[in-house]
Formats: sequence, structure tokens, C-alpha cells
Amino acid sequence: NAGVMQNPRHLVRRRGQEARLRCSPMKGHSHVYWYRQLPEEGLKFMVYLQKENIIDESGMPKERFSAEFPKEGPSILRIQQVVRGDSAAYFCASSPGQSEKLFFGSGTQLSVL
Amino acid sequence: RKEVEQDPGPFNVPEGATVAFNCTYSNSASQSFFWYRQDCRKEPKLLMSVYSSGNEDGRFTAQLNRASQYISLLIRDSKLSDSATYLCVVNLDSGTYKYIFGTGTRLKVLA
Repeated sequence: NAGVMQNPRHLVRRRGQEARLRCSPMKGHSHVYWYRQLPEEGLKFMVYLQKENIIDESGMPKERFSAEFPKEGPSILRIQQVVRGDSAAYFCASSPGQSEKLFFGSGTQLSVL
Repeated sequence: RKEVEQDPGPFNVPEGATVAFNCTYSNSASQSFFWYRQDCRKEPKLLMSVYSSGNEDGRFTAQLNRASQYISLLIRDSKLSDSATYLCVVNLDSGTYKYIFGTGTRLKVLA
């Protein structure tokens, strides 16, 4: 049973470009969470999705950021027109249900030049 | 007040020592609680869930105090490999069951 798969592991973008981060949850998990972590800081909740639905996006900036979890395929976190402040580690986690244990992917390190 | 608060440390302890961390949470509607471990630049990994009656897993003991709204983690007989950041996680029933992470407590076990 493969774990949570995130790709790419490292992503380099120039200011103004788009970044697409992918996350495939563990088999049987229908709940996906995205977190952002800056160096020396904690994980900040961004968005919680179930298949085809955004449940809670209260931690995600209203502009430039969007997330989806389609019926088929991985969850995508999309950042448009990236700025240097978007540089961070982005972790995806999945769970089989509400209040269940979270399992994390190995993260995507985004660097904006 | 932060939703989940932890002492950032670092806690520097010798091998074999017993060390304890606390974590306070502000929302009494919190449903479930966990301790995760994060090594530098890596993903958080589940250490243990925290149950109302308290629970133990080898050298690790977790406890929950709902009245005072805190959870604790006790590590006995510390090993060098226990050096990491320990994250307290609270699952909030704010209508959407999102998981809120503390900023973590850094532990360094010294030889």
C-alpha cells in the first residue's frame, strides 16, 4: 500500500510563473489536506478537500492560490504568479475520514527566484 | 490566543533522561489529539494518538486533560534518535474537522 505521493519533490520557479503541486492520497483515503511550512516555523493549514469538493479553504490566500481534488487523479495545489514569499515546503496529507490519523507525503519544496 | 500552543524549546537532555512536553489548546470543541514527530526538512510522522484515558507506547506516554485543555507527551530513557521536533496536533470540530498543528517543541538528546 503506497503512502501519500507528492510530486515534484523540488520545484523552482521565477517570479510571475505558475506552480502546480500534485498529491495522490493513500489508497482508500478520501480526505486531503494541504499545509505550508516556512523555515523554522510550524505547519500552517491551507485547505481541506474531499473528492470534487473543497470543504475548508480558510487557510488559503484568496488570490493566486487554488486547490482541487477531482474525481479521477491527484489533488492539485496551484499557485499563480508566484512571488518570493511563496517559497516554502508544501505538505499534503490524507486520512480515511474525519478525526482519523493523518498521513503525510514527503512534501514539495518550492523555491521562487 | 493561538489555537494550539507549545513551548518551542529546545530541550537539551542527556541520554537516558526522562523529558515531558505539554501542549495547550484553546477550543473546547476539539475532538481528537495526536503527537507527530518531524525530523529536519522531512514530513511529519505520526508518533501516537492521545486518548482520554491516557495511553502508552513503549517509552512514550501521552495524556489528555480536557478540563485544563492540554495534552502531554512523556519520553522515558531518551535515545539519541529521539532528537527531533515534536508536534502537537488537534482536530477541531469547527464544522469541518481540520487539523491544527502546534509550532513544535525541539528536543536534542545529548550523548
